Amino acid sequence: DQQVKQNSPSLSVQEGRISILNCDYTNSMFDYFLWYKKYPAEGPTFLISISSIKDKNEDGRFTVFLNKSAKHLSLHIVPSQPGDSAVYFCAVTGTASKLTFGTGTRLQVTL
Amino acid sequence: DAGVIQSPRHEVTEMGQEVTLRCKPISGHNSLFWYRQTMMRGLELLIYFNNNVPIDDSGMPEDRFSAKMPNASFSTLKIQPSEPRDSAVYFCASNPTGGSTEAFFGQGTRLTVV
Repeated sequence: DQQVKQNSPSLSVQEGRISILNCDYTNSMFDYFLWYKKYPAEGPTFLISISSIKDKNEDGRFTVFLNKSAKHLSLHIVPSQPGDSAVYFCAVTGTASKLTFGTGTRLQVTL
Repeated sequence: DAGVIQSPRHEVTEMGQEVTLRCKPISGHNSLFWYRQTMMRGLELLIYFNNNVPIDDSGMPEDRFSAKMPNASFSTLKIQPSEPRDSAVYFCASNPTGGSTEAFFGQGTRLTVV
């Protein structure tokens, strides 16, 4: 059973527009949520995170939103740039102290 | 700091052979994770260690897989015997506390079993 779901395997957005990546989770006990970015032939790198006591965290062009009642997490990138083209993974953690990842969404930012 | 170091970067082996993947975590990090990335399942957690002790190995697919962490600066993931369905990219990651902080990943080992 997939505890973390990213239902869109791919997303294409024009440069300058907003990219919205979504993630759903099943366990309300998760209390920390993260987004990672992965380029080909590299390991995932941490992008931004949010704890369960907040509903929004912003870092430059990247904003993460958390809707605990819906068990939904989203990442907004605005404006999108070609260098943002990558696979994005959401991840969750809780008292078990381990990161559980979704299956990833491949973002393509076109010119 | 050089980050998490994995070796080899690529491994091609024949079915039935033993494969050993190696990882050096970031110095001072207490927790180490082994992940496998496949197209179908994304990043799956195989096992994680805290202070060199295996905490959760429920993600290890079967008995052919084993992992060790003999000291704070080294871990291995072994597959014996290897099978073609083990072909994937295997990542090692570490973090300082094992809790609510981000993990730092190595560049991965691409394993191909023919």
